Amino acid sequence: DVQLVESGGGLVKPGQSLRLSCAASGFTLKTYSMNWVRQAPGKGLEWVSSISTSSSAIFYAESLKGRFTISRDNAKNSLYLQMSSLRADDTAVYYCARDRGDSSLDLWGQGTLVTVSS
Amino acid sequence: EIVMTQSPATLSVSPGERATLSCRASQSVSTNLAWYQQKPGQAPRLLMYSASIRATGIPPRFSGSGSGTEFTLTISSLQSEDFAVYYCQQYDTWPPAYTFGQGTKLEIK
Repeated sequence: DVQLVESGGGLVKPGQSLRLSCAASGFTLKTYSMNWVRQAPGKGLEWVSSISTSSSAIFYAESLKGRFTISRDNAKNSLYLQMSSLRADDTAVYYCARDRGDSSLDLWGQGTLVTVSS
Repeated sequence: EIVMTQSPATLSVSPGERATLSCRASQSVSTNLAWYQQKPGQAPRLLMYSASIRATGIPPRFSGSGSGTEFTLTISSLQSEDFAVYYCQQYDTWPPAYTFGQGTKLEIK
Protein backbone atom coordinates (compact mmCIF):
# COMPACT_ATOMS: atom_id res chain seq x y z
CA ASP A 1 0.00 0.00 0.00
CA VAL A 2 1.08 3.53 -0.71
CA GLN A 3 1.14 5.30 2.63
CA LEU A 4 2.77 7.75 4.99
CA VAL A 5 3.05 7.00 8.69
CA GLU A 6 3.98 9.70 11.19
CA SER A 7 5.44 9.08 14.62
CA GLY A 8 7.14 10.94 17.44
CA GLY A 9 4.28 12.99 18.81
CA GLY A 10 3.52 13.24 22.49
CA LEU A 11 3.20 15.49 25.52
CA VAL A 12 6.01 17.97 26.10
CA LYS A 13 6.46 21.02 28.32
CA PRO A 14 6.76 24.54 26.96
CA GLY A 15 10.29 25.27 25.79
CA GLN A 16 11.12 21.64 25.09
CA SER A 17 11.95 20.02 21.76
CA LEU A 18 10.48 17.16 19.79
CA ARG A 19 11.35 15.36 16.56
CA LEU A 20 8.63 14.00 14.32
CA SER A 21 9.22 11.31 11.71
CA CYS A 22 7.27 10.29 8.64
CA ALA A 23 7.93 6.93 7.00
CA ALA A 24 6.94 6.42 3.40
CA SER A 25 6.06 3.05 1.94
CA GLY A 26 4.76 1.82 -1.39
CA PHE A 27 6.49 4.59 -3.33
CA THR A 28 9.92 6.17 -3.66
CA LEU A 29 10.09 9.21 -1.42
CA LYS A 30 13.09 10.69 -3.22
CA THR A 31 11.01 11.57 -6.27
CA TYR A 32 8.60 13.81 -4.35
CA SER A 33 8.79 17.11 -2.55
CA MET A 34 7.25 16.75 0.89
CA ASN A 35 5.42 18.91 3.38
CA TRP A 36 4.32 19.16 6.98
CA VAL A 37 0.85 20.53 7.72
CA ARG A 38 -0.65 20.93 11.17
CA GLN A 39 -4.13 21.20 12.62
CA ALA A 40 -4.82 22.57 16.08
CA PRO A 41 -7.68 20.86 17.94
CA GLY A 42 -10.99 21.81 16.37
CA LYS A 43 -9.30 24.19 13.94
CA GLY A 44 -8.35 24.33 10.27
CA LEU A 45 -5.24 23.32 8.39
CA GLU A 46 -1.98 25.27 8.54
CA TRP A 47 0.95 24.64 6.21
CA VAL A 48 4.20 24.35 8.19
CA SER A 49 7.09 23.55 5.87
CA SER A 50 8.14 22.01 2.57
CA ILE A 51 11.33 20.38 1.30
CA SER A 52 12.37 19.56 -2.24
CA THR A 53 13.48 16.15 -3.44
CA SER A 54 17.19 16.79 -2.84
CA SER A 55 16.71 19.06 0.20
CA SER A 56 18.10 21.95 -1.86
CA ALA A 57 14.97 24.05 -1.38
CA ILE A 58 13.40 24.35 2.06
CA PHE A 59 10.61 26.69 3.09
CA TYR A 60 8.78 27.46 6.30
CA ALA A 61 5.68 29.31 7.36
CA GLU A 62 6.87 32.76 8.38
CA SER A 63 5.53 32.37 11.92
CA LEU A 64 7.65 29.24 12.50
CA LYS A 65 10.99 30.25 11.08
CA GLY A 66 13.89 29.58 13.40
CA ARG A 67 12.10 27.07 15.63
CA PHE A 68 11.27 24.24 13.21
CA THR A 69 13.64 22.37 10.91
CA ILE A 70 12.51 20.05 8.14
CA SER A 71 14.81 17.37 6.77
CA ARG A 72 14.67 14.10 4.89
CA ASP A 73 16.67 10.91 4.42
CA ASN A 74 15.83 9.52 1.01
CA ALA A 75 17.85 6.37 1.66
CA LYS A 76 15.56 5.64 4.60
CA ASN A 77 12.42 6.84 2.79
CA SER A 78 11.81 9.19 5.70
CA LEU A 79 10.88 12.80 6.41
CA TYR A 80 11.50 14.64 9.68
CA LEU A 81 10.44 17.74 11.55
CA GLN A 82 12.62 18.95 14.40
CA MET A 83 10.66 21.31 16.64
CA SER A 84 12.28 23.43 19.33
CA SER A 85 11.18 26.05 21.85
CA LEU A 86 7.71 24.57 21.71
CA ARG A 87 4.77 26.68 22.86
CA ALA A 88 1.21 25.90 23.83
CA ASP A 89 -0.04 27.15 20.47
CA ASP A 90 2.07 24.51 18.71
CA THR A 91 -0.36 21.93 20.06
CA ALA A 92 -1.77 20.21 16.99
CA VAL A 93 -1.97 17.09 14.90
CA TYR A 94 0.99 17.16 12.55
CA TYR A 95 0.55 15.58 9.13
CA CYS A 96 3.18 14.80 6.55
CA ALA A 97 1.90 15.17 3.02
CA ARG A 98 3.24 14.39 -0.42
CA ASP A 99 3.45 17.07 -3.09
CA ARG A 100 1.71 15.89 -6.24
CA GLY A 101 4.18 17.90 -8.27
CA ASP A 102 2.25 21.14 -8.47
CA SER A 103 2.15 21.79 -4.69
CA SER A 104 -1.26 20.23 -4.18
CA LEU A 105 -0.98 17.46 -1.58
CA ASP A 106 -2.12 14.08 -2.84
CA LEU A 107 -1.13 11.72 -0.04
CA TRP A 108 -1.38 12.37 3.69
CA GLY A 109 -0.37 10.40 6.73
CA GLN A 110 -2.77 9.75 9.60
CA GLY A 111 -1.11 12.43 11.71
CA THR A 112 0.67 12.51 15.05
CA LEU A 113 -0.56 14.58 17.99
CA VAL A 114 1.80 17.01 19.68
CA THR A 115 0.59 18.47 22.97
CA VAL A 116 2.55 21.27 24.60
CA SER A 117 1.47 21.79 28.19
CA SER A 118 3.01 22.27 31.60
CA GLU B 1 0.03 36.40 2.83
CA ILE B 2 -2.86 35.35 0.63
CA VAL B 3 -5.98 34.93 2.73
CA MET B 4 -8.47 32.27 1.67
CA THR B 5 -12.08 32.78 2.75
CA GLN B 6 -14.63 29.99 2.47
CA SER B 7 -18.38 30.36 2.59
CA PRO B 8 -20.62 29.37 4.12
CA ALA B 9 -19.04 28.12 7.32
CA THR B 10 -21.74 25.44 7.56
CA LEU B 11 -23.97 24.15 4.77
CA SER B 12 -26.99 21.95 5.46
CA VAL B 13 -28.12 19.90 2.48
CA SER B 14 -30.30 16.83 2.04
CA PRO B 15 -28.90 13.65 0.50
CA GLY B 16 -29.41 13.62 -3.25
CA GLU B 17 -29.36 17.40 -3.51
CA ARG B 18 -26.64 19.63 -4.90
CA ALA B 19 -24.11 21.41 -2.70
CA THR B 20 -22.14 24.48 -3.75
CA LEU B 21 -19.15 25.59 -1.69
CA SER B 22 -17.26 28.83 -2.29
CA CYS B 23 -13.66 29.89 -1.78
CA ARG B 24 -12.32 33.39 -2.31
CA ALA B 25 -8.67 34.46 -2.43
CA SER B 26 -7.49 37.88 -1.27
CA GLN B 27 -5.49 38.18 -4.49
CA SER B 28 -5.31 36.22 -7.70
CA VAL B 29 -3.97 32.67 -7.45
CA SER B 30 -4.66 31.84 -11.11
CA THR B 31 -5.90 28.23 -11.03
CA ASN B 32 -3.38 27.14 -8.39
CA LEU B 33 -6.08 25.94 -6.06
CA ALA B 34 -6.89 22.59 -4.48
CA TRP B 35 -9.87 21.24 -2.56
CA TYR B 36 -9.66 18.71 0.25
CA GLN B 37 -12.24 16.67 2.13
CA GLN B 38 -11.74 15.79 5.78
CA LYS B 39 -13.90 13.46 7.83
CA PRO B 40 -13.77 13.35 11.64
CA GLY B 41 -10.62 11.67 12.92
CA GLN B 42 -9.18 11.32 9.43
CA ALA B 43 -6.52 13.04 7.40
CA PRO B 44 -7.55 15.36 4.57
CA ARG B 45 -8.02 13.83 1.12
CA LEU B 46 -7.24 15.64 -2.11
CA LEU B 47 -10.36 16.11 -4.23
CA MET B 48 -9.41 18.66 -6.88
CA TYR B 49 -6.27 20.36 -8.10
CA SER B 50 -5.65 23.11 -10.60
CA ALA B 51 -9.11 24.33 -9.54
CA SER B 52 -11.04 21.92 -11.76
CA ILE B 53 -9.20 18.61 -12.18
CA ARG B 54 -10.42 15.68 -10.12
CA ALA B 55 -7.76 13.77 -8.23
CA THR B 56 -7.34 10.06 -8.77
CA GLY B 57 -10.37 8.06 -7.63
CA ILE B 58 -12.65 11.05 -7.03
CA PRO B 59 -16.14 10.42 -8.42
CA PRO B 60 -17.53 12.66 -11.16
CA ARG B 61 -20.23 14.11 -8.91
CA PHE B 62 -17.45 16.37 -7.62
CA SER B 63 -16.57 19.31 -9.84
CA GLY B 64 -14.53 22.46 -9.39
CA SER B 65 -14.49 25.76 -11.21
CA GLY B 66 -13.07 29.24 -11.03
CA SER B 67 -9.86 31.16 -11.52
CA GLY B 68 -8.23 34.24 -10.13
CA THR B 69 -9.96 34.94 -6.83
CA GLU B 70 -13.28 33.10 -6.99
CA PHE B 71 -13.65 29.32 -6.85
CA THR B 72 -16.47 26.85 -6.41
CA LEU B 73 -16.69 23.20 -5.46
CA THR B 74 -19.93 21.55 -6.49
CA ILE B 75 -21.20 18.15 -5.41
CA SER B 76 -24.00 17.28 -7.78
CA SER B 77 -25.94 14.67 -5.81
CA LEU B 78 -24.90 14.29 -2.20
CA GLN B 79 -24.17 10.83 -0.89
CA SER B 80 -24.00 9.98 2.80
CA GLU B 81 -20.22 9.69 2.63
CA ASP B 82 -19.88 13.27 1.35
CA PHE B 83 -20.83 14.90 4.65
CA ALA B 84 -17.52 16.25 5.91
CA VAL B 85 -15.44 19.42 6.16
CA TYR B 86 -14.04 20.84 2.93
CA TYR B 87 -10.96 23.04 2.66
CA CYS B 88 -9.55 25.02 -0.21
CA GLN B 89 -5.80 25.65 -0.48
CA GLN B 90 -3.89 28.07 -2.68
CA TYR B 91 -0.42 27.14 -3.89
CA ASP B 92 0.30 30.08 -6.14
CA THR B 93 2.88 31.88 -4.03
CA TRP B 94 6.63 31.67 -4.50
CA PRO B 95 8.50 31.16 -2.29
CA PRO B 96 5.88 28.82 -0.93
CA ALA B 97 3.51 30.22 1.67
CA TYR B 98 0.58 27.94 1.08
CA THR B 99 -2.64 28.92 2.80
CA PHE B 100 -5.89 27.12 3.48
CA GLY B 101 -9.38 28.40 3.90
CA GLN B 102 -11.03 27.98 7.29
CA GLY B 103 -13.24 25.18 5.99
CA THR B 104 -16.90 24.58 5.19
CA LYS B 105 -18.72 21.94 7.18
CA LEU B 106 -21.23 20.10 5.00
CA GLU B 107 -23.90 18.58 7.19
CA ILE B 108 -27.00 16.53 6.65
CA LYS B 109 -30.22 18.52 6.58
